[in-house]
Amino acid sequence: QSALTQPASVSGSPGQSITISCTGTSSDVGSYNLVSWYQQHPGKAPKLMISEDNKRPSGVSNRFSGSKSGNTASLTISGLQAEDEADYYCCSYAGSNSYVFGPGTKVTVL
Amino acid sequence: EVLLVESGGGLVQPGGSLRLSCAASGFTFSTYAMSWVRQAPGKGLEWVSTIGGGGGTYYADSVKGRFTISRDNSKNTLYLQMNSLRDGDTALYYCAKVSVGTAKFDYWGQGTLVTVSS
Repeated sequence: QSALTQPASVSGSPGQSITISCTGTSSDVGSYNLVSWYQQHPGKAPKLMISEDNKRPSGVSNRFSGSKSGNTASLTISGLQAEDEADYYCCSYAGSNSYVFGPGTKVTVL
Repeated sequence: EVLLVESGGGLVQPGGSLRLSCAASGFTFSTYAMSWVRQAPGKGLEWVSTIGGGGGTYYADSVKGRFTISRDNSKNTLYLQMNSLRDGDTALYYCAKVSVGTAKFDYWGQGTLVTVSS
């Protein structure tokens, strides 16, 4: 149950697009179409933003999109806004009813 | 509206025990898997345990043999019995509703803080 790999921080100016990568292995990210992404503002609970690699739950802005290639998943935020400043975590199903999270990426809006 | 409210956290000495609870409402509790996810101070999220709607239980290696997840469907409540607690178990413990087929934690509580310290 090794953690996924994410960049510690990503930044962008308002209106720009940024992409956060999430690298796992052929045992987790690469084996299942079950990567999810969570947004967490300071002092708040995580919020589901993307599931099943690229599905956006009802109520989540279409500025958020997910993709995957091989063992690496990505979250793209387009039209970056001040409210997007938060920590973002990827999570993958890892088989045998287990899950693995990434260490989180701090997104800063310049 | 889905609501998850955790309770039971507190300060406990190393080697001690604690039981967390999570009261659920706004959905048919008995038909959904539920999980505990923790977050150490200033750190990332870590999956701890999941219990299926049918009662199957699953644990992270870091807590296997020490923690026990359970549920009382008549009370719409999820539990986490934590024994042999260690300093490294200090964290905010969240309960989360799980959509098993899609492996997503779609609703989260606000968390309950567990501090293991002498």
